[in-house]
Amino acid sequence: KAGVTQTPRYLIKTRGQQVTLSCSPISGHRSVSWYQQTPGQGLQFLFEYFSETQRNKGNFPGRFSGRQFSNSRSEMNVSTLELGDSALYLCASSPWTGVLAGDKEQFFGPGTRLTVL
Amino acid sequence: KQEVTQIPAALSVPEGENLVLNCSFTDSAIYNLQWFRQDPGKGLTSLLLIQSSQREQTSGRLNASLDKSSGRSTLYIAASQPGDSATYLCAVHTGTASKLTFGTGTRLQVTL
Repeated sequence: KAGVTQTPRYLIKTRGQQVTLSCSPISGHRSVSWYQQTPGQGLQFLFEYFSETQRNKGNFPGRFSGRQFSNSRSEMNVSTLELGDSALYLCASSPWTGVLAGDKEQFFGPGTRLTVL
Repeated sequence: KQEVTQIPAALSVPEGENLVLNCSFTDSAIYNLQWFRQDPGKGLTSLLLIQSSQREQTSGRLNASLDKSSGRSTLYIAASQPGDSATYLCAVHTGTASKLTFGTGTRLQVTL
């Protein structure tokens, strides 16, 4: 079974631009989460989608948004990029079915390294 | 608010040594705890998942324990190898859905 894939792997943008990152979960997984990793803040939760619905959102400004498609693929968008948005963006998928508490293992993709100049 | 701490932040050991990495969390109402490994510039590789009802899990040379009431988990690595060099992260799952709260990580170096 193929793992979680993320595209592109590397991006360089300038301040003020916007960017879209893509994540394809493991086949059969409907839960997709996004995390931002920086040296100063570590791994921080951005948001989570299940069956095309945002289930949870972290403490990030509205410039960060996401969506999930009917095939469970997810995209996240960052508008009006700032230097501080430079980070490794990680996507995770889980076989969580949306029922009861989440108790499923999560699997991460290789990440997208975003550099904002 | 759940907070996860990992001690030590960095560790260097000679090859062959057994070692223990620590993870503590402030809210004991967790559903599970997951240990990950991260190589520089790479994504996270899941090592072990411990459900809240379990006390430990083993995979090869790795053994993870969980003491939910005291808010602690340990990752034991037996007979360490240079290939074990990486950053090890623990993460707890406390809410519904799939949100994980991560610790700050322990950077491990195993020397020849």
